[in-house]
Amino acid sequence: QVQLVESGGGVVRPGRSLRLSCAASGFTFSTSAMHWVRQAPGKGLEWVAVISDDGSNISYQDSVKGRFTISRDNSKNTLYLQMNSLRAEDTALYYCAREYIAMALAATACDFWGQGTLVTVSS
Amino acid sequence: DIQMTQSPSSLSAYVGDRVTITCRASQTIRIYLNWYQQKPGKAPNLLIYAASSLHSGVPSRFSGSGSGTDFTLTITSLQPEDFATYYCQQSYSAPLTFGGGTKVEIK
Repeated sequence: QVQLVESGGGVVRPGRSLRLSCAASGFTFSTSAMHWVRQAPGKGLEWVAVISDDGSNISYQDSVKGRFTISRDNSKNTLYLQMNSLRAEDTALYYCAREYIAMALAATACDFWGQGTLVTVSS
Repeated sequence: DIQMTQSPSSLSAYVGDRVTITCRASQTIRIYLNWYQQKPGKAPNLLIYAASSLHSGVPSRFSGSGSGTDFTLTITSLQPEDFATYYCQQSYSAPLTFGGGTKVEIK
């Protein structure tokens, strides 16, 4: 079955860096686009970034552009999120999610999600 | 960026009630609207994609409609396991954006 397991979260001081990982199994990782979505404590969902199946197409939320980098290693079935210059407002549970494509409709959604890894940015 | 506005932000309902949640986009997103359910302490689950297509395994009491800028999620007969927070999300253009959520509580 599809499994996504995030890791790498923790407590970090403002301005520092952290790298999140998402280990994928149970599906052909190299043919799926992948997303990062975050959720601040007690708040709603916020989309962060997406990377295409081969890594050639990437998009970011404006608030993380220039600070975060999404990447993937298809040989290791792993998705990454390098987070630099962290701010207090980046504190959140970070989820990775697989993109589902409804070909006939040319529509996409996130059909499988990990359980998340918590990032806390605090001095 | 496309702004997504959900209403209401919360509602109380009885088991068996028909519940409707609305989502409005700040510009047309055609049919590229998804609905997710999230229970406390859990990851979101995809319910509806492309405005009205039911995701695999989702009960038929859930349905979605709309196109352009206005969309609805309907639960025809609310069940105990449906008490959760529901989010809409546009997948028309990056940055993808979510609505603020609708918390459905037991009355």
